[in-house]
Amino acid sequence: DAGVIQSPRHEVTEMGQEVTLRCKPISGHNSLFWYRQTMMRGLELLIYFNNNVPIDDSGMPEDRFSAKMPNASFSTLKIQPSEPRDSAVYFCASSRQGFGAGANVLTFGAGSRLTVL
Amino acid sequence: EDQVTQSPEALRLQEGESSSLNCSYTVSGLRGLFWYRQDPGKGPEFLFTLYSAGEEKEKERLKATLTKKESFLHITAPKPEDSATYLCAVDSNTGNQFYFGTGTSLTVIP
Repeated sequence: DAGVIQSPRHEVTEMGQEVTLRCKPISGHNSLFWYRQTMMRGLELLIYFNNNVPIDDSGMPEDRFSAKMPNASFSTLKIQPSEPRDSAVYFCASSRQGFGAGANVLTFGAGSRLTVL
Repeated sequence: EDQVTQSPEALRLQEGESSSLNCSYTVSGLRGLFWYRQDPGKGPEFLFTLYSAGEEKEKERLKATLTKKESFLHITAPKPEDSATYLCAVDSNTGNQFYFGTGTSLTVIP
């Protein structure tokens, strides 16, 4: 398996523009997580999905942020409009919920580094 | 409120100088404690899962232990390639899964 795949790896945009980050989870994983990482706050959970359904979006900072998971192999995180304080590395992670070896272990993608000017 | 605190924030060791990293947690219901390693420019990489107090896991020069309030990551005779940020996370049954600590940045000097 190629692991969790995120795109783009780097995004530089201007304040007010729409940003869409994409994630392909590991095949067979039924949970997907979006995190944001900054030096000041570390890794913050934004939202997670179980079986494509959003379970907890309490970490989404504002209405400018939205996430979708239309099917088991694809998710997007959208920021509209973007602001400089949104600059961070955004990670997608997936896991197999359940029991047994490897269950509930998050596998992370390489991240998308967002810079909003 | 569930919390995870890691210490120290940064640690510099000479090659071969053993030490420990600490992860203190406060959660109402612990389902698992996880250790990850993160290299610059990469996503966190899974190391260990611990489920109950008294449990220990080992991998090469690393050993993780768990008590009811904290976990330690012991590094024995570290090498420069062990330099990374080490993150711990707790899986809680309160609904907001996988709280991460802010990490310990480890530098091993040859």
